[in-house]
Amino acid sequence: DIQMTQSPSTLSASVRDRVTITCRASQSISRWLAWYQQKPGKAPNLLISDASRLESGVPSRFSGSGSGTEFTLTISSLQPDDFATYYCQQYNSYPYTFGQGTKLEFK
Amino acid sequence: QVQLVESGGGLVKPGGSLRLSCVASGFAFSDYYMGWIRQAPGKGLEWVSYIDGTATIIYYTDSIKGRFTISRDNAKNSLYLQMNSLRAEDTAVYSCARAPRGFSDYWGQGTLVTVSS
Repeated sequence: DIQMTQSPSTLSASVRDRVTITCRASQSISRWLAWYQQKPGKAPNLLISDASRLESGVPSRFSGSGSGTEFTLTISSLQPDDFATYYCQQYNSYPYTFGQGTKLEFK
Repeated sequence: QVQLVESGGGLVKPGGSLRLSCVASGFAFSDYYMGWIRQAPGKGLEWVSYIDGTATIIYYTDSIKGRFTISRDNAKNSLYLQMNSLRAEDTAVYSCARAPRGFSDYWGQGTLVTVSS
């Protein structure tokens, strides 16, 4: 199975900060990576697919990059609504696997 | 709009069975891969199973192989997960998701399965 490792596990930040979350795959997954945002008690929301394709309706302050084994999710200017947990997921090969999550919290 | 509504969760004893259902609306159900994803309390996300539009391609994560069976009824716009030989570690919220190319673009709110004596 492909292991997905996110860092950091917890990130403390303030409104208007620029933040970056990293996701590393245990083997190459090309660009078959998605990013999700999850708020407590809610279903995850797809932000980015194919490593960098922003989903419809997702604010442009979110961006994704990377290929192979290293990927990043960047929020250019944090807004209050962005404090949540973020997950990466590879869909290069079965079983599809998620990272362990990064909790973005108020500093 | 796309909607996915799960049902069938509940409290079951170890070794017991449950059948989860997910009714889809707002899109051409038979055209899409669908999947089940679970989240144990306070934990991360885990892909459980995945099925293509014609039920020809099916995948399971290793921990549930031989115990869970995914199926679909395109005439009823419904996805199912038959869960047998349940274990405490299967306790989680189970969500169905539309999975057009492996990622999930729409999710249901989930149904809680608790395995406990």
